Amino acid sequence: NAGVTQTPKFQVLKTGQSMTLQCAQDMNHEYMSWYRQDPGMGLRLIHYSVGAGITDQGEVPNGYNVSRSTTEDFPLRLLSAAPSQTSVYFCASSFDYSFFEQYFGPGTRLTVT
Amino acid sequence: SQQGEEDPQALSIQEGENATMNCSYKTSINNLQWYRQNSGRGLVHLILIRSNEREKHSGRLRVTLDTSKKSSSLLITASRAADTASYFCATDFRNNAGNMLTFGGGTRLMVKP
Repeated sequence: NAGVTQTPKFQVLKTGQSMTLQCAQDMNHEYMSWYRQDPGMGLRLIHYSVGAGITDQGEVPNGYNVSRSTTEDFPLRLLSAAPSQTSVYFCASSFDYSFFEQYFGPGTRLTVT
Repeated sequence: SQQGEEDPQALSIQEGENATMNCSYKTSINNLQWYRQNSGRGLVHLILIRSNEREKHSGRLRVTLDTSKKSSSLLITASRAADTASYFCATDFRNNAGNMLTFGGGTRLMVKP
């Protein structure tokens, strides 16, 4: 199993540009989520999904969109990038949000200039 | 605001010593999880303790949970330089939006050889 994969690993955007961060898992997990991690801080939940076709907002959803058309994929879209969105983004998946461990991808380091 | 908070924010010890990190949370939980993050990498699951458990062991790790105080501790015994990493607690959290897993700000552990 590849586990959780994320692309790209690094990305530089100009303010106002849009882009999509890709996340895929091959473990047939129902629960997937996106976090951002700022320097010296913990993870903050952006959006999550409990299954295909179902998404919900987390703690910091503004400026981001998600969709879950398949069990495997959970892309995160930045609508109009802002410098405040400079961060490291992690995708995670699990069988359930609470009762099972989360598997994390390697992260995408995004810089918005 | 975050559901879980770790204490201390940073900890520096000598190899062979024990390291203790604490986590406090605000609302009732089903489970509490501890994760480790090496610099520049994604998070890796260490241990999950259920709300009806008081103590759990995994190798050199010992986790306790006190639901009356809404707190947990992670003890790493006989620490090694390779234990240098950030450690995060995660709790399941429910609000009007749904169910999610939220992380604290982490404890940065440095183990000096």
